[in-house]
Amino acid sequence: NAGVMQNPRHLVRRRGQEARLRCSPVKGHSHVYWYRQLPEEGLKFMVYLQKENIIDESGMPKERFSAEFPKEGPSILRIQQVVRGDSAAYFCASSPSPTGSGSPLHFGNGTRLTVT
Amino acid sequence: DQQVKQNSPSLSVQEGRISILNCDYTNSMFDYFLWYKKYPAEGPTFLISISSIKDKNEDGRFTVFLNKSAKHLSLHIVPSQPGDSAVYFCAASAGGGKLIFGQGTELSVKP
Repeated sequence: NAGVMQNPRHLVRRRGQEARLRCSPVKGHSHVYWYRQLPEEGLKFMVYLQKENIIDESGMPKERFSAEFPKEGPSILRIQQVVRGDSAAYFCASSPSPTGSGSPLHFGNGTRLTVT
Repeated sequence: DQQVKQNSPSLSVQEGRISILNCDYTNSMFDYFLWYKKYPAEGPTFLISISSIKDKNEDGRFTVFLNKSAKHLSLHIVPSQPGDSAVYFCAASAGGGKLIFGQGTELSVKP
């Protein structure tokens, strides 16, 4: 039973390019979350999605960032026109039901984005 | 506004002794608390959780204590082992699906 799969593990982009991060949740999990970890900091919530719906995007920067979780296929976190401050580790997590009802999140190993 | 705080960035403990990691929170609406362990270049791994209706939950060598009046929780690891060396994050939820994480405490267990 595969866990949360994220790819790529490492992504290098030049300033101004687009970054696409993919996440396949645990089979049967319909709740997906994206978190960002900046150097020397904890994990910061970005967005919570269910299939085809954004439930909570209160942690997403207002510009350049978007996320989707289509009916078929992985969840995608898209960062347009990347800047150096976007360099971070991006973690995806999934759960079978909303966290807070006794259902912990299962995390992937992250995508480390480096903007040069 | 840091709603979940881990004030000790690091902790060093001798193998076989007890490790105590602390976490404070400010939001009284949090009703579910978790501890995660993270190794370098890996994602966080769930360790143990506790609901706000309890004050203690135990799983093997790991015990989490919750003091609601003080808005404080702690993770006890006993006996500590070198393989426990990692960064530990506490996290809290007020429902609605998202977890708020602390900054993490790096535990080093020395043989």
